Amino acid sequence: DAMVIQNPRYQVTQFGKPVTLSCSQTLNHNVMYWYQQKSSQAPKLLFHYYDKDFNNEADTPDNFQSRRPNTSFCFLDIRSPGLGDAAMYLCATSREIAGGTDTQYFGPGTRLTVL
Amino acid sequence: GQNIDQPTEMTATEGAIVQINCTYQTSGFNGLFWYQQHAGEAPTFLSYNVLDGLEEKGRFSSFLSRSKGYSYLLLKELQMKDSASYLCAVVDSNYQLIWGAGTKLIIKP
Repeated sequence: DAMVIQNPRYQVTQFGKPVTLSCSQTLNHNVMYWYQQKSSQAPKLLFHYYDKDFNNEADTPDNFQSRRPNTSFCFLDIRSPGLGDAAMYLCATSREIAGGTDTQYFGPGTRLTVL
Repeated sequence: GQNIDQPTEMTATEGAIVQINCTYQTSGFNGLFWYQQHAGEAPTFLSYNVLDGLEEKGRFSSFLSRSKGYSYLLLKELQMKDSASYLCAVVDSNYQLIWGAGTKLIIKP
C-alpha cells in the first residue's frame, strides 16, 4: 500500500542534543511538508518542499532545518532542542501544492519528548 | 489576519447526529478540508468543499457557504469510534493551508 512512513514513532532526546526525524513516502508525491502539533492545537507548518524547492515559513525558528535528498525521503533536523520543542511532528505529502483537490496525506507522526 | 473558528469540544450520544461548525476569515479561498484526528494519531482526510452546498459521503456530510465564510461537518448514526478531533482547514489565495485548532468530539453511550 502506498503510504507515508515516519520513524521513529517516539523519540526522546535531551535538552540541546541534536535530533533527526525521518519521513518517507511511496506515493511519489511532489510536495512534502513538516508540521509541528502541540496538544489541542492546530498543526503548525514548519516548511515544505515542492520537489527540491525548499520553502521555509517565516516564523519557523532557525533551530529547525530540513533536507530532502530525493523524492521519497525528507528529514527534520532540530539542532538544539528546547523544552518548548516537545510536540508531535507530522510529515505530510500532496501531489501538488495544497490547492484544488490536492489532499494532504499524513504519516503517523513522531512524538518528541525533550528531557 | 487569517482565522479559523471551531468549537473546542462537543459531546454527543451514540446513534445520534452532530453538527460541527467552522467559520473562517482568510485572504482568499481555494477550498475547505475536514480532517479527522484520533488522539495521538495523524489527521486523516474526510472531505473537501470548494463550491457551495452539501457533499454527502456515507455517514459524514460537509456543507459550505462561501458568502458566509461558513462550513459544517455533519456526522450521522454516531459510533464510539467517531470520538476524535475534527479539524477544519482552508486553502487561502496563496494556496497555503490554514488550520483550525480542531473540535474534540466526545461520544457517550
